[in-house]
Amino acid sequence: DTGVSQNPRHKITKRGQNVTFRCDPISEHNRLYWYRQTLGQGPEFLTYFQNEAQLEKSRLLSDRFSAERPKGSFSTLEIQRTEQGDSAMYLCASSLVALAGNNEQFFGPGTRLTVL
Amino acid sequence: GNSVTQMEGPVTLSEEAFLTINCTYTATGYPSLFWYVQYPGEGLQLLLKATKADDKGSNKGFEATYRKETTSFHLEKGSVQVSDSAVYFCALGTTDSWGKLQFGAGTQVVVTP
Repeated sequence: DTGVSQNPRHKITKRGQNVTFRCDPISEHNRLYWYRQTLGQGPEFLTYFQNEAQLEKSRLLSDRFSAERPKGSFSTLEIQRTEQGDSAMYLCASSLVALAGNNEQFFGPGTRLTVL
Repeated sequence: GNSVTQMEGPVTLSEEAFLTINCTYTATGYPSLFWYVQYPGEGLQLLLKATKADDKGSNKGFEATYRKETTSFHLEKGSVQVSDSAVYFCALGTTDSWGKLQFGAGTQVVVTP
């Protein structure tokens, strides 16, 4: 078990460009989550998948954001036409389907996006 | 809606001092409560959790008790070390919101020798 991995770890892009991040969850985990964390704040939920199905999306996830988990394993998060306000740390987490109230999630190291 | 409020930092302590970080919550349903820690340059790690009222979570000398009557989950450690310097996040997950954790803003703790 190598934990949750994310690539790239850092991304610098110019405003208006598209970026894509990848998350590889813990292998037996069937739930995968994306969060965004800005400086001095806690992570904010963006979206999550159970297997390949995207079950919930936050209103923070504008039309420029899209996430996929095509085979129920790794996931990608794409941001189109990036804006400076998209600069943040993007965190991925995974978990097993939880019994009532558990919902323990394991986090990756994050991808830090800087939009110039 | 659900929310988590934790004390602002930074909290600066000397080694071997007692640490308390306050966390209160508002939630519908029956939340589980978590403390995550983020060491400098590293990702979030689960420190401890409690899934029902009066449960006590503990790990690495840290403890927190789920108090439903005061809607609190305060983190404590009796004797901190320099290596405990990190940002600590309180979080909740509810049975009607399986897909997400609600985090507090985080509290930075700095322990000096």
